[in-house]
Amino acid sequence: DVKVTQSSRYLVKRTGEKVFLECVQDMDHENMFWYRQDPGLGLRLIYFSYDVKMKEKGDIPEGYSVSREKKERFSLILESASTNQTSMYLCASRGGPSSFYNEQFFGPGTRLTVL
Amino acid sequence: GQQLNQSPQSMFIQEGEDVSMNCTSSSIFNTWLWYKQEPGEGPVLLIALYKAGELTSNGRLTAQFGITRKDSFLNISASIPSDVGIYFCAGRDYGQNFVFGPGTRLSVLP
Repeated sequence: DVKVTQSSRYLVKRTGEKVFLECVQDMDHENMFWYRQDPGLGLRLIYFSYDVKMKEKGDIPEGYSVSREKKERFSLILESASTNQTSMYLCASRGGPSSFYNEQFFGPGTRLTVL
Repeated sequence: GQQLNQSPQSMFIQEGEDVSMNCTSSSIFNTWLWYKQEPGEGPVLLIALYKAGELTSNGRLTAQFGITRKDSFLNISASIPSDVGIYFCAGRDYGQNFVFGPGTRLSVLP
């Protein structure tokens, strides 16, 4: 079974703090993704990575950065957290083009509150 | 960008009833995925579809990849209380990423 884990289930931070959200997958997947999920707005893609040290902006990258130093780990960074970044953050991973089955698996989510 | 529509937006059913929901797109997709998300949790993959016309089952769940490649359907038979949640569809064209629908919220009344 694919396992995607996220470092925290719940996080409370103050405005202006630097926040790190970590995601680890154990299936040797090439692709990893960070989404945020808000009521009425659905899932929105922040950043994704298709290989180590590679990253691409998604639909809403502003205020975020990412790091992928190892294949299994994809980090989302909020350089200076703001209250409008309060949200549920979901990490996902998926095999690359060489995979016959291109199923995307999600982690359990991190609910971040910025005060 | 691409948009997926899901219907119904929400539904309330009696335990034991069958459920049908669908997902439509203005674009052609080559992969459809169906997820279930419970409160406070991440989406869990239920069924993956890869071929137009494909019909796939997972227990009481059955999903179909529409012949036009622009839609997909999910059916749940004999619903039970633990079926409660939000069901998302996701479609992928020949690009890298999936597009997600807004979800169908299912409530099961005892």
